[in-house]
Amino acid sequence: SAVISQKPSRDICQRGTSLTIQCQVDSQVTMMFWYRQQPGQSLTLIATANQGSEATYESGFVIDKFPISRPNLTFSTLTVSNMSPEDSSIYLCSAGRGYGYTFGSGTRLTVV
Amino acid sequence: AQSVTQLDSHVSVSEGTPVLLRCNYSSSYSPSLFWYVQHPNKGLQLLLKYTSAATLVKGINGFEAEFKKSETSFHLTKPSAHMSDAAEYFCVVSDRNRDDKIIFGKGTRLHILP
Repeated sequence: SAVISQKPSRDICQRGTSLTIQCQVDSQVTMMFWYRQQPGQSLTLIATANQGSEATYESGFVIDKFPISRPNLTFSTLTVSNMSPEDSSIYLCSAGRGYGYTFGSGTRLTVV
Repeated sequence: AQSVTQLDSHVSVSEGTPVLLRCNYSSSYSPSLFWYVQHPNKGLQLLLKYTSAATLVKGINGFEAEFKKSETSFHLTKPSAHMSDAAEYFCVVSDRNRDDKIIFGKGTRLHILP
């Protein structure tokens, strides 16, 4: 299965700033996904990113707050914009199809 | 749309006794089902998956799960709990023939009592 390198692994950011998280996959994948895991909770899907098309956002998430890029079949970025303390979470990317998925190691974001 | 319900937020068992973590799913299409484990401050690890082959699926570390379509269930079991099994467990569903996005259950925290 694919291996994903996600960075940064953690960051502490000032409110009002933006952070871009990168995920690099070691093979070409059609589907990539971005998740948020708030403290003590499960993973919530933010959006699905397919190469060559606009990302599809889940209810409660908007492009202005979480812009996503998917320039090719091995790479994607998620930006957390205009951050507030409520954005403090772990953000994870994932790649795969219905037969199997791989996850990045996560980005632990703290907004102060 | 697919969904998954983990029936217990916390489960406590004694070391050496059986483990049962319950999961029910809802899917309009042909589901793939997964169990992932997350140890404290660690990443997600795949325990096992069902993708339309054998309904009884064996995974790592002695875990197994049975896909029961009539009951829309995919419960995770282990005959004998070990202290190292203490972690958060997530049941996950994907609609293979639709958009492939995967939906996580809310998780079950497994506590192992000495």
